[in-house]
Amino acid sequence: QVQLVESGGGVVQPGRSLRLSCAASGFTFSSYTMHWVRQAPGKGLEWVAVIFNDGIIKYYSDSVKGRFTISRDNSKNTLYVQMNSLRTEDTAVYYCARDFDSSGYRTDCFDYWGQGTQVTVSS
Amino acid sequence: EIVLTQSPATLSLSPGERATLSCRASQSVSSYLAWYQQKPGQAPRLLIYDASNRATGIPARFSGSGSGTDFTLTISSLEPEDFAVYYCQQRSTRPTFGQGTRLEIK
Repeated sequence: QVQLVESGGGVVQPGRSLRLSCAASGFTFSSYTMHWVRQAPGKGLEWVAVIFNDGIIKYYSDSVKGRFTISRDNSKNTLYVQMNSLRTEDTAVYYCARDFDSSGYRTDCFDYWGQGTQVTVSS
Repeated sequence: EIVLTQSPATLSLSPGERATLSCRASQSVSSYLAWYQQKPGQAPRLLIYDASNRATGIPARFSGSGSGTDFTLTISSLEPEDFAVYYCQQRSTRPTFGQGTRLEIK
């Protein structure tokens, strides 16, 4: 069955960096576009970034552009996000999510989600 | 950015009753609207995609309708496990989510 397992969260000071990972299994990872979505405490969901299956094409939300970098290693079935210059408003649970389409196309519909990893930015 | 407004914020119903949740977009999203269910401490689960298509494994009591700017998620007869928070999400432009409707037991 499809599994997505995030790791790498923690408590970090403003301005510092953190890298999150998402280990995928149960499907052909290299065929799917992948996303990061976050949820601030007690708040709704916010899309963060997307990476196409080839690892080349990437897009970001305005709130993280220039600070976050999404990447993937298809040989390791793993998705990453490097988060630099962290701000208090980046505090959230970060989910990785699989795109709905299996042909590598980007649909921005999220059919499987991991359980999330908590990132807390605080001094 | 397309803003999605969900109503009501909280819906109090009893098991067996019919639930009707609304989502309104600030501009047309065609049929590119999905619904997700989230329970406390869990990840969201895709219920409906492209306004009216049930995702794999979703019970038939869940249905979606609408197009353009107005959408509805209907749960025909509530089961105890259906009490959760529901989010709509558009993919017509850069994806955005509604603020959620909390479905609670009356």
